This record gives sequence, structure tokens and C-alpha cells, in this order.
Amino acid sequence: GAGVSQTPSNKVTEKGKYVELRCDPISGHTALYWYRQSLGQGPEFLIYFQGTGAADDSGLPNDRFFAVRPEGSVSTLKIQRTERGDSAVYLCASSARENTEAFFGQGTRLTVV
Amino acid sequence: SQQGEEDPQALSIQEGENATMNCSYKTSINNLQWYRQNSGRGLVHLILIRSNEREKHSGRLRVTLDTSKKSSSLLITASRAADTASYFCGDKIIFGKGTRLHILP
Repeated sequence: GAGVSQTPSNKVTEKGKYVELRCDPISGHTALYWYRQSLGQGPEFLIYFQGTGAADDSGLPNDRFFAVRPEGSVSTLKIQRTERGDSAVYLCASSARENTEAFFGQGTRLTVV
Repeated sequence: SQQGEEDPQALSIQEGENATMNCSYKTSINNLQWYRQNSGRGLVHLILIRSNEREKHSGRLRVTLDTSKKSSSLLITASRAADTASYFCGDKIIFGKGTRLHILP
């Protein structure tokens, strides 16, 4: 597809479980960003990849959160031992390179019960 | 912690009027992007202004940037019902909770 694709669109999981959220960026985009957004709040920056490497992971809230982008394309956000407070919409964006127009996916709505 | 904010938090105007919203930030930026968000899902990129630019236009949108004051403004002229949305600014980091714009028919 032409846009950023995120799967699944919705995920319900039990507290304590492990989840993986996937982001397929626009083909050829080297920069990839993850955010999470709670109701009524702005998107909270989590991590930024330039190619395969995490150029800035300062937004990851704790060590339960981890993200990878092994081949410089698809990225997976991994959350261990999920907590109810992790419930949010997780957004992914990509751009051709840093400091250029960013395109967002539709997000994954994660609900931890 | 919040790296900036948009104001006002909410704005209701009549269709056809102009809407102005402001963004202030705390960090250094290379560029500033304005986004629109409908229904709490993906953000749509509206316009990008670089740190060495002071003003930029795109259709009905006009963005200004004052790096000395660390502030930017977004003007939407001749507003339409379809402009009803939340608006955010930021670079890599999205600043603040956004401005909720409601266009009244």
C-alpha cells in the first residue's frame, strides 16, 4: 500500500501478557517514529529509528517497552508484562528522512484488561 | 513531561471565519510540522516550516514561526465544516494536547 500500515488495528490483552504491535512504513522511508496517545492527550513520543538503529529512545517509559527495526523497514513495538495504564492508541509514522514530512498510520488501539 | 503546548485548547467559530491557533515549545527544532487529527486516530500532515523560515502558505493555511520566541501559529482561512478536528504542532516530538477546532454551520 501507499501509506503507513499498522497491525492489528485493535488489540485486547490481559494484564501481564506480552504484545507486539507492527508498523509497515512507506517504502523507502528511512525514518520511523512510534508514539502513544491517551484519550484527550497529544501523541507522546516513544522512539525514533533512522534506518535499523534507534536514534532516540528517550520516550520509552520503562524497560517493559522495546522496539526493533531489524531490516530498516518494518518495525515492531514490544510491550512486556502489560499493565492497564498501557492502554492507549499506538501510532507509527515514517518520513523519507529526518526533518521531512511525516506520514502517520491509523494506529493500534491497545486495551489491557 | 510536556515539551510545549497549543492554545487555545478549544475553539469554536462560524463556517467561513478564520481560525488561528498557536503553538509554543521548549526545545530546539530543525523544523516544525502542523498536523490535523480526526477521531483520535492517525495524524495528517498539513504543513512543514523550517527553522530558517518565518512564514509559509499552503492553500487556506498560513503558518508563521518565531524561533526567538519558540512559537508558531496556524491560520486557517475561510473555514469549512471539514476543518473540524484537533490540531497539533511538533517536530519529532508532538507538543501539547492540541487545539480542538469546531466549525459551526
